[in-house]
Amino acid sequence: EAQVTQNPRYLITVTGKKLTVTCSQNMNHEYMSWYRQDPGLGLRQIYYSMNVEVTDKGDVPEGYKVSRKEKRNFPLILESPSPNQTSLYFCASSLDRYYNSPLHFGNGTRLTVT
Amino acid sequence: GQQVMQIPQYQHVQEGEDFTTYCNSSTTLSNIQWYKQRPGGHPVFLIQLVKSGEVKKQKRLTFQFGEAKKNSSLHITATQTTDVGTYFCAGHYGGSQGNLIFGKGTKLSVKP
Repeated sequence: EAQVTQNPRYLITVTGKKLTVTCSQNMNHEYMSWYRQDPGLGLRQIYYSMNVEVTDKGDVPEGYKVSRKEKRNFPLILESPSPNQTSLYFCASSLDRYYNSPLHFGNGTRLTVT
Repeated sequence: GQQVMQIPQYQHVQEGEDFTTYCNSSTTLSNIQWYKQRPGGHPVFLIQLVKSGEVKKQKRLTFQFGEAKKNSSLHITATQTTDVGTYFCAGHYGGSQGNLIFGKGTKLSVKP
């Protein structure tokens, strides 16, 4: 089944403890992206990648890192999480880097930082 | 930076009533996409509009793209409880997918 898989679905951690949220897609998609969703603020882009080894900052990149070593994987890394990073995170992918490809979203990761 | 304004933020309707959400950009869009997110779920792609003045229908849903390609609307006729969720528009400002900007969404609740 074609899908974007994120793990974990839920994560509770403490301030400063490094964590990684994994994202993998099995559709051979070129483009991948991370969003965070907060009440009243909609979906805000954190980082995106147009291809392997190519990543760019989105609107809210502070406190996050990403890597794209393989086409299928695009992990989101929080080196030193803080409470303001408590949010619902979505990974998304699309077929190509151009503007006519719909985004396929993962099921989301709900992160709580205490 | 670029912004896509979406209104209303919330809409409560009685089942059978119509519903409309609007998106507006201050600058011309290359295209606009619409997504639906069910409660507890993830956004799911509904449709993409590309041409000026384009109108597309999916059963009870009608999507419009303005003549100037700066605004768009989603209209649902005779809402049903299955329509509950948050509807997002996402506007492209040309170039790569990195230039896709989401509106803040309209959360629709339907009272049976």
